[in-house]
Amino acid sequence: AQSVAQPEDQVNVAEGNPLTVKCTYSVSGNPYLFWYVQYPNRGLQFLLKYITGDNLVKGSYGFEAEFNKSQTSFHLKKPSALVSDSALYFCAVVPSGYSTLTFGKGTMLLVSP
Amino acid sequence: GAGVSQTPSNKVTEKGKYVELRCDPISGHTALYWYRQSLGQGPEFLIYFQGTGAADDSGLPNDRFFAVRPEGSVSTLKIQRTERGDSAVYLCASSFVGNEQFFGPGTRLTVL
Repeated sequence: AQSVAQPEDQVNVAEGNPLTVKCTYSVSGNPYLFWYVQYPNRGLQFLLKYITGDNLVKGSYGFEAEFNKSQTSFHLKKPSALVSDSALYFCAVVPSGYSTLTFGKGTMLLVSP
Repeated sequence: GAGVSQTPSNKVTEKGKYVELRCDPISGHTALYWYRQSLGQGPEFLIYFQGTGAADDSGLPNDRFFAVRPEGSVSTLKIQRTERGDSAVYLCASSFVGNEQFFGPGTRLTVL
């Protein structure tokens, strides 16, 4: 069975600094990988996905993620954090050939002014 | 354009009662998913529809949970004999098959 680990419950970063939110996964075969963001009292919003091809994926709001097959990781990054980036971030995986998402437990990102 | 909508946004019920949660997917999306999110956890898969049929219901926790999508659009998640442990946010998502899923705002269910 597939699984996703987000080892940090919370990440704190100052505005303007780079940020990284970590994600590792376990899945049979080639994975499809996703990042979603959840703002308070709102639904999950899609940020970006990796299906195949270039290991560096660019997504919404200036976020990007790097797929590393050997380390089974898909860390979310942004070069310069904004206070408005503060939210709950979820990494998710779908084994190829399947459709349903398996999510990590989430990482709270807090960006201080 | 209109996103995924879910009603009600909040539902408070008593233990043992029956509840129905509704999901209106994005128009044209053939795939529809239900997830459940407990406090401090990521969403957990419940059931997946492709068109009118349930393609995968392996996430339903027991036979008190049931979902339908009779016309391939709107879906209803039904919970019988609710228990306090059913309290959670129930999320619905839709997509074109194989593409990213778009989520609704969720229904917060509280069982007293």
